Amino acid sequence: SQTIHQWPATLVQPVGSPLSLECTVEGTSNPNLYWYRQAAGRGLQLLFYSVGIGQISSEVPQNLSASRPQDRQFILSSKKLLLSDSGFYLCAWTPGSGELFFGEGSRLTVL
Amino acid sequence: RKEVEQDPGPFNVPEGATVAFNCTYSNSASQSFFWYRQDCRKEPKLLMSVYSSGNEDGRFTAQLNRASQYISLLIRDSKLSDSATYLCVVNEDAGGGNKLTFGTGTQLKVEL
Repeated sequence: SQTIHQWPATLVQPVGSPLSLECTVEGTSNPNLYWYRQAAGRGLQLLFYSVGIGQISSEVPQNLSASRPQDRQFILSSKKLLLSDSGFYLCAWTPGSGELFFGEGSRLTVL
Repeated sequence: RKEVEQDPGPFNVPEGATVAFNCTYSNSASQSFFWYRQDCRKEPKLLMSVYSSGNEDGRFTAQLNRASQYISLLIRDSKLSDSATYLCVVNEDAGGGNKLTFGTGTQLKVEL
C-alpha cells in the first residue's frame, strides 16, 4: 500500500534561518506531488507541484523553493525565513485521479 | 477573482439540521471536483468526489453545475461529529499533471 511521510512535524525557527522540509512517498511510482501551506485560520494555498523528477511548477512567488531529486522525494526549502512563512505545511500526492493523500503536516513557527 | 471561492462561515446549526455549502470556480476548463473535510490542526481528508450527475453518500449529497461553475455539498441530519471545515477542490489538467486548487474552506459547527 502507498504511504506518505513528511518531517519534521514541528519546528521553531528564527527569522533569516534556512528551512528544509522533506516528504517521501512509498509504494507508488511517478506520483504527482504537492506542497501546500495553510496559515492560521485560512485555506490551503498551493505552493508547488511536480509531475516528475526535476519538474517543479511554482504557483506563488515567494522566498521558498522546491526540488524533486528522486521520484518519491519532494523537498521544500528556504534560504532565509520570513515571519510570514509561519504556517502548516502539507505534502500530498495523487495517483492521477485528483484524489489527494496528505502527509501528517509540518507546523512551522518563525520567530 | 480567486480561482476557487467559498463562504468561510462559520455556519452554526442545530443537530439534525440540513446545511448546504457552495463553492464557485473560475476556470471553465476544470475537470474534476472534490469535497474534503479538515478537522482542527489535522490534514484534510477526502469526503467525496463530485460527479456531473450528482452523487450521494449517506447523509451527504454533492452536485456540480458546470454552466454556472459551482459545486455544492448538502449535509442532512447534521451530527455533532460533522463539525469541521469543508474544503472544495478543483482539478485542472496542467501539462500532464493535476493542478489541485483548494477553496478557503467553510467552517461548520453543529450544536446541541
